[in-house]
Amino acid sequence: QSALAQPASVSGSPGQSLSISCTGISSDIGGYSYVSWYQQHPGKAPKLLIYDVDNRPSGVSDRFSAAKSGNTASLTISGLQNEDEADYFCSSFTSSQTVLFGGGTKVTVL
Amino acid sequence: QVHLVQSGAEVKRAGASVRVSCKASGFSSGNYVIAWVRQAPGQGPAWMGWISTYTGKRNFAPQFQDRVSLTIDSSTATSYMDLRSLRYDDTAVYYCASLLEGWLESWGQGTLVTVFS
Repeated sequence: QSALAQPASVSGSPGQSLSISCTGISSDIGGYSYVSWYQQHPGKAPKLLIYDVDNRPSGVSDRFSAAKSGNTASLTISGLQNEDEADYFCSSFTSSQTVLFGGGTKVTVL
Repeated sequence: QVHLVQSGAEVKRAGASVRVSCKASGFSSGNYVIAWVRQAPGQGPAWMGWISTYTGKRNFAPQFQDRVSLTIDSSTATSYMDLRSLRYDDTAVYYCASLLEGWLESWGQGTLVTVFS
């Protein structure tokens, strides 16, 4: 299985909004609502940011939102803050009952 | 609040085996699923597999199926990941995480496994 496709990097200035795309196929993103997003700061474990396509766990800022259309999911960060500088990974459950990850997107706050 | 604590860093010679443990606390019941993921330096996470305490069922990513064993000691709520025939490119941080439906809800702190030849 190939990794889900994500841009390698995106950047924005504080206060701006930016979006990260995540593209799969019909047997992963397109076929399930189990799309999730994770934030990872350097040297730290990933943290669940979004689950079930567009749901935020308790404690996650509402500046983070997500959506899915067909085989592509997206994560939007609104009101970009310095602390949002991190790596972001998308993930999808698959028809093989495995979990597929994206290659990750490095977000830089200018 | 689910909390997962993993064992410490390991340094292994190529061809050897490694065991990483993951002790769980905070689950509301004894039924849960533990997944294992690894992350090589500078790369995204790679799925390895999961094990369920509900059914004992295991599921592995094809590339690890022949070299990975997953077990759970329910009496201590500790999960184990054994990786055999280590290669240099197995050098990575290994994570356990709680798998809830299709996402990884809580993560361990990670265990660095370094393989030298």
